[in-house]
Amino acid sequence: AQTVTQSQPEMSVQEAETVTLSCTYDTSESDYYLFWYKQPPSRQMILVIRQEAYKQQNATENRFSVNFQKAAKSFSLKISDSQLGDAAMYFCAKANYNTDKLIFGTGTRLQVFP
Amino acid sequence: DAGVTQSPTHLIKTRGQQVTLRCSPKSGHDTVSWYQQALGQGPQFIFQYYEEEERQRGNFPDRFSGHQFPNYSSELNVNALLLGDSALYLCASSLAGSPLHFGNGTRLTVT
Repeated sequence: AQTVTQSQPEMSVQEAETVTLSCTYDTSESDYYLFWYKQPPSRQMILVIRQEAYKQQNATENRFSVNFQKAAKSFSLKISDSQLGDAAMYFCAKANYNTDKLIFGTGTRLQVFP
Repeated sequence: DAGVTQSPTHLIKTRGQQVTLRCSPKSGHDTVSWYQQALGQGPQFIFQYYEEEERQRGNFPDRFSGHQFPNYSSELNVNALLLGDSALYLCASSLAGSPLHFGNGTRLTVT
């Protein structure tokens, strides 16, 4: 069975500092997508960043970037210049290449302190 | 441009009852997926509808069923509710493999 593991239930960061959230996954596929989603108290899942496994270059979206290590099956999210609005649950997720069915991790709660 | 809308936002039901949750996809999207998110957990895939047919299904019992209408909107039905069905139910829509767009969910409480 495919699994996505987030080993950090909670993380905290000072405003303007950098924080890294960890994610590992298990798969036998060579082509797949990896995602980080943010879930604020409004409950809506918001896509933060997406990585295609066949691309070696790490994805970046403004203050958000990933460190994708395919051989190690690791996909961490780095948030730079943290803002109070970044406080939320963050979920790592994986989808096989020919489907958009997502397998989620258990989430990491990020707190941002002023 | 309206995003994914779900109704109702909250619902309280009694064990054994049946419930119907509704979802309208983002404009232009033709595929609807449903997820169940138990408290403190990540969402789990229930099923996906495309062209009014169930295209994929997760590991959920037959008590969970769905429907997609010609306008791409969708319903999730759960029969014979159990206490363990209490969760946030998320609907997501997509088009041709584009990233999923999620709604704000329906919080179902079974007493």
